[in-house]
Amino acid sequence: AAGVIQSPRHLIKEKRETATLKCYPIPRHDTVYWYQQGPGQDPQFLISFYEKMQSDKGSIPDRFSAQQFSDYHSELNMSSLELGDSALYFCASSRGQGINNSPLHFGNGTRLTVT
Amino acid sequence: GEDVEQSLFLSVREGDSSVINCTYTDSSSTYLYWYKQEPGAGLQLLTYIFSNMDMKQDQRLTVLLNKKDKHLSLRIADTQTGDSAIYFCAERKKGSQGNLIFGKGTKLSVKP
Repeated sequence: AAGVIQSPRHLIKEKRETATLKCYPIPRHDTVYWYQQGPGQDPQFLISFYEKMQSDKGSIPDRFSAQQFSDYHSELNMSSLELGDSALYFCASSRGQGINNSPLHFGNGTRLTVT
Repeated sequence: GEDVEQSLFLSVREGDSSVINCTYTDSSSTYLYWYKQEPGAGLQLLTYIFSNMDMKQDQRLTVLLNKKDKHLSLRIADTQTGDSAIYFCAERKKGSQGNLIFGKGTKLSVKP
């Protein structure tokens, strides 16, 4: 079965640079979520989109922005990168919203290293 | 995840049963999930349970939910070395748009 696709798999950037992470949800899933997982930490919710509109916001820094496009893929844009942004970034997708949404399925993540 | 607590480590012998425990604080949570993460890999959805259920079984996996005590457990029967991973408990709170609150994860080590 098709899964959530994230690209790139690995990314190395220098401080103050920008990065763009991409996420392609499971076909027919209309909701995407972004999570950040620091080393040895649990995943922390950043932001989510449903039908191309932001549906919820978590601990996403102001330096980050995201959007969902008409084909339901999503991009996470990160600017003025800091060393502390080094982490594994997961995208997840589901179908529907709120009480009726399906379970979240996660991609394999993008490992971002900021030097 | 400040709202979801798990023990950090569990070690079992191959063939034994593993029981991973989780407590959550929001009694209005609607769904509770178990995810598995192998080293350097993504989060694999193992199973989930709706809050109006108290048990769910899926092959070697059994989930028990005690809503009164806000306690969730995952039992893995006949644990194999391939089950070695970090297991995350996660809750979806009532009224949320679907995002999850994760526990810190339990690292399961299976000894041959």
